[in-house]
Amino acid sequence: ALQLTQFPSSLSASVGDRVTITCRASQGIRDSLAWYQHKPGKSPILLIYGVSNLEPGTPSRFSGSASETEFSLTISSLQPEDFATYYCQYFNSYPPITFGQGTRLDIK
Amino acid sequence: QTHLQESGPGLIKPSETLSLTCTVSGGSITSYYWSWIRQPPGKGLEFIGYVYFSGSTYHNPSLRSRVTMSVDTSKMQISLRLSSVTAADTAVYYCARGGGGLPMRDWGPGSLVTVSA
Repeated sequence: ALQLTQFPSSLSASVGDRVTITCRASQGIRDSLAWYQHKPGKSPILLIYGVSNLEPGTPSRFSGSASETEFSLTISSLQPEDFATYYCQYFNSYPPITFGQGTRLDIK
Repeated sequence: QTHLQESGPGLIKPSETLSLTCTVSGGSITSYYWSWIRQPPGKGLEFIGYVYFSGSTYHNPSLRSRVTMSVDTSKMQISLRLSSVTAADTAVYYCARGGGGLPMRDWGPGSLVTVSA
């Protein structure tokens, strides 16, 4: 079964920092990779799909990239509203839709 | 923008069947896939399954055959039934527009379901 492993699992950073979250797939998944932001008590928000395409409304400080089976989400300059948990997701059907375990981003 | 709203029992007993409904408004229910995702307390997101507006379904094999999903286009509703629940099924359940090869663009606010005797 496909596994998506995110690292780090948690991260502390300051406003203005540049941060990168990585998602490693256990097999090739082409460009079927999305990133979501999730805050407590809210529903997840789609940020990026197809590895690097920003969903309308996603601030340009967010970007996505890939190198083979390793995918990255980068926030170029952290803003206070960016502190949340981030999930990568394989969104095609076969193997089944899979989420990474999440990366919690806290204020330092 | 499409708005989704989950509704369900809140509390059910072990071995019962969980039934949730997602009502869609502000957009079309046809020509889309609709997914169910859950988040157990303190854990990450787990894909449950998706249903196409035509009625075809796909569910996470890890849930075996406990999952049933359907669409009622006349009521603009998507339904989820999860049988033989245990405490491990306690979670916030979300419906979302997407699946079937597409990311999940619109999400409901979630519905907490607690399984307890």
